[in-house]
Amino acid sequence: DGGITQSPKYLFRKEGQNVTLSCEQNLNHDAMYWYRQDPGQGLRLIYYSQIVNDFQKGDIAEGYSVSREKKESFPLTVTSAQKNPTAFYLCASSITRQGTEAFFGQGTRLTVV
Amino acid sequence: ILNVEQSPQSLHVQEGDSTNFTCSFPSSNFYALHWYRWETAKSPEALFVMTLNGDEKKKGRISATLNTKEGYSYLYIKGSQPEDSATYLCAGGGSQGNLIFGKGTKLSVKP
Repeated sequence: DGGITQSPKYLFRKEGQNVTLSCEQNLNHDAMYWYRQDPGQGLRLIYYSQIVNDFQKGDIAEGYSVSREKKESFPLTVTSAQKNPTAFYLCASSITRQGTEAFFGQGTRLTVV
Repeated sequence: ILNVEQSPQSLHVQEGDSTNFTCSFPSSNFYALHWYRWETAKSPEALFVMTLNGDEKKKGRISATLNTKEGYSYLYIKGSQPEDSATYLCAGGGSQGNLIFGKGTKLSVKP
């Protein structure tokens, strides 16, 4: 089945460590996005990519990094520079930039311990 | 930066009531307006994507309208059912390729 897969579902990280969240899609979508959700907040855009080897910062990119070496994959690294990394992270993809619907993964809940 | 606002933040209705939510966005730099439904423990799912001023779309009991000149969209639910309980997200797409979400409207439908 086609879809978008995030792993792991739950992730625990010690303070000061970098951690990478996986996002893979087999929908042949060009655009991919990373969002963060905090309690009582909406989805905030971290990074987005429209094509392979290209990505742009969203509203809250500080402390995060991404890569887009393959069309199917858009991993997000939460670095030790991110002050408040505990959150729910959602990955999404769409055919074009924004004219078509986005498909979402199941999300990764990251907890810093 | 595209700024998307939704109201109300939450809504409690009785089964059978009709309801509507509002999404407002800057009319400049507009490309597309998306509506999603996000049920608890599931992924957000697309309801509608609209791009033209005056667009109206319908899916069963749910419909949406778009006014790009004044920068708003309405989502209507006719005859709400308990299974309509979810958070409804609005998102605006700008010419830069970004997709920016509002904070959502949380709907609870009591049987």
